[in-house]
Amino acid sequence: ETGVTQTPRHLVMGMTNKKSLKCEQHLGHNAMYWYKQSAKKPLELMFVYNFKEQTENNSVPSRFSPECPNSSHLFLHLHTLQPEDSALYLCASSHSPQGLGQETQYFGPGTRLLVL
Amino acid sequence: DAKTTQPPSMDCAEGRAANLPCNHSTISGNEYVYWYRQIHSQGPQYIIHGLKNNETNEMASLIITEDRKSSTLILPHATLRDTAVYYCIVSYGKLTFGQGTILTVHP
Repeated sequence: ETGVTQTPRHLVMGMTNKKSLKCEQHLGHNAMYWYKQSAKKPLELMFVYNFKEQTENNSVPSRFSPECPNSSHLFLHLHTLQPEDSALYLCASSHSPQGLGQETQYFGPGTRLLVL
Repeated sequence: DAKTTQPPSMDCAEGRAANLPCNHSTISGNEYVYWYRQIHSQGPQYIIHGLKNNETNEMASLIITEDRKSSTLILPHATLRDTAVYYCIVSYGKLTFGQGTILTVHP
């Protein structure tokens, strides 16, 4: 148990559906992250939020829409996804914004997404 | 961030020490060495990190060479539950994951 929870743990959706992934951290951290891990590929950073503000978007398609209402919660809204978006989506948090030196990130268990 | 090189896979007998090497010859003076692991289909788990000195915690030890160009993660008494992908990352804040080392602990 890392103090970062993600729901749902598994999700199957059609290409025309709209769904949302939720992440919550109970660590009092100020930075939150979304990563994508496709089969046989390394983790890819998608978005970074520091103090509720988005500070990084790594050229993620607009069909992925993040939302950070407060420092403890992070959402990833999904719409009109493609089968190649099937992957493990991981949320992480850290005490301070990235880029400020040593900053351990703590990961949630991930949401396994399958797009049909 | 500096690039790291790790062997793609390693084996270890249960109860023995697992020594996982990592080369990071282009590491900058302010970059830390981080180790994470990922057990199948779970989120990465933080193990340990260090800057120059060797570090030890309840999970592992981290040995960093004096020139900081390489490091070794040591799991002193490997168990079957230590089977995972181990990632060595050098970073000043941002984590960039590579392919890591698949460690298989066998009975």
